[in-house]
Amino acid sequence: QQQVKQSPQSLIVQKGGISIINCAYENTAFDYFPWYQQFPGKGPALLIAIRPDVSEKKEGRFTISFNKSAKQFSLHIMDSQPGDSATYFCAADTGRRALTFGSGTRLQVQP
Amino acid sequence: DGGITQSPKYLFRKEGQNVTLSCEQNLNHDAMYWYRQDPGQGLRLIYYSQIVNDFQKGDIAEGYSVSREKKESFPLTVTSAQKNPTAFYLCASSRDRANYGYTFGSGTRLTVV
Repeated sequence: QQQVKQSPQSLIVQKGGISIINCAYENTAFDYFPWYQQFPGKGPALLIAIRPDVSEKKEGRFTISFNKSAKQFSLHIMDSQPGDSATYFCAADTGRRALTFGSGTRLQVQP
Repeated sequence: DGGITQSPKYLFRKEGQNVTLSCEQNLNHDAMYWYRQDPGQGLRLIYYSQIVNDFQKGDIAEGYSVSREKKESFPLTVTSAQKNPTAFYLCASSRDRANYGYTFGSGTRLTVV
């Protein structure tokens, strides 16, 4: 019930392309869905987050799409840049415990 | 500048030893968390504390212990009972997860030698 499944495990995208990372969950009590970006040797940093009352949220080149009925959400990175190369984690929270993280996606953007 | 400080950055432990990882925050956050990161497994919750003098076990608490005597500090002890302690350990804090998310430290890499 606490699990968040993330795919793909790794992703290679050309510069200027669209990167798409997907997550799925089972626990319908989750009501907060953030994405974190992590560079090697550093802690994750909050990138963007969404609540289930909206289907999409956009901040710059980053967009979260949320499908409540399918219990899925995804991160889209438009015009991907080499500086976006990092590991991305989706997460989910019920507000009563702590964030449950997905297994991570290692993104490599080739110049 | 406000933030979370984890120390040391690298730590080596001999078999059978206990070691303590430090986590200090000056963000005035109430809640603090410890996660363990292993390749391909994401971040797994060890312990969390939502208020001083109170903490709860996470998903992988066996072999670990914590204390929360001060709002600013949440140290993690890796005991000899933890059979596979080699990992990257991350501390985080939050004021209001719904609006601000977690702030993470830069982590401590623990290696058993």
